[in-house]
Amino acid sequence: ELKVEQNPLFLSMQEGKNYTIYCNYSTTSDRLYWYRQDPGKSLESLFVLLSNGAVKQEGRLMASLDTKARLSTLHITAAVHDLSATYFCAVVSTSGTYKYIFGTGTRLKVLA
Amino acid sequence: NAGVTQTPKFQVLKTGQSMTLQCAQDMNHNSMYWYRQDPGMGLRLIYYSASEGTTDKGEVPNGYNVSRLNKREFSLRLESAAPSQTSVYFCASSALAGVWNTGELFFGEGSRLTVL
Repeated sequence: ELKVEQNPLFLSMQEGKNYTIYCNYSTTSDRLYWYRQDPGKSLESLFVLLSNGAVKQEGRLMASLDTKARLSTLHITAAVHDLSATYFCAVVSTSGTYKYIFGTGTRLKVLA
Repeated sequence: NAGVTQTPKFQVLKTGQSMTLQCAQDMNHNSMYWYRQDPGMGLRLIYYSASEGTTDKGEVPNGYNVSRLNKREFSLRLESAAPSQTSVYFCASSALAGVWNTGELFFGEGSRLTVL
């Protein structure tokens, strides 16, 4: 059964600092997605990682995928307050079931 | 460009009442999903439909039923609501990953359900 773990669950950081959110998953998959959710809102797609070694960057966020280690990272560079949100990773099983399983989310708070 | 539309956005039920959450997408996606979101639990998959005519259980299917009415619509029914079903429900859809599609999920705005 596919399981997805994220850590940390909660992250409070100062503006200008760097940090990394980790997403581990339990079974083979070559597709991983990162989403952002603002309080009271729906989920917004951030990154799509479709192969081993994939790296995507948008502004101060960079995501990478290592399918052999079953690990994805979301790196935050020089955080700003606007990045405060909850970040989720989601993994699709390659068994053909089309199930998207989400991690528990990382709630990021960037302090001015 | 509506994307994924969910109704209702808010609902209050009494224990034992039934209700149906409606979801429709206009992106011609094959796959549709229902998730629930509870504080500290992330999104948990209730049911999904990989294609029109099929439905399958997700991680937390108990107490729910679904119907894939056609390619556009996927409804979630609570036959006898319980306080434990108080949650925010999200519908999502996806095209299958392939040469032209990334397979990412597109979400509706959510339906906030309270069961008293």
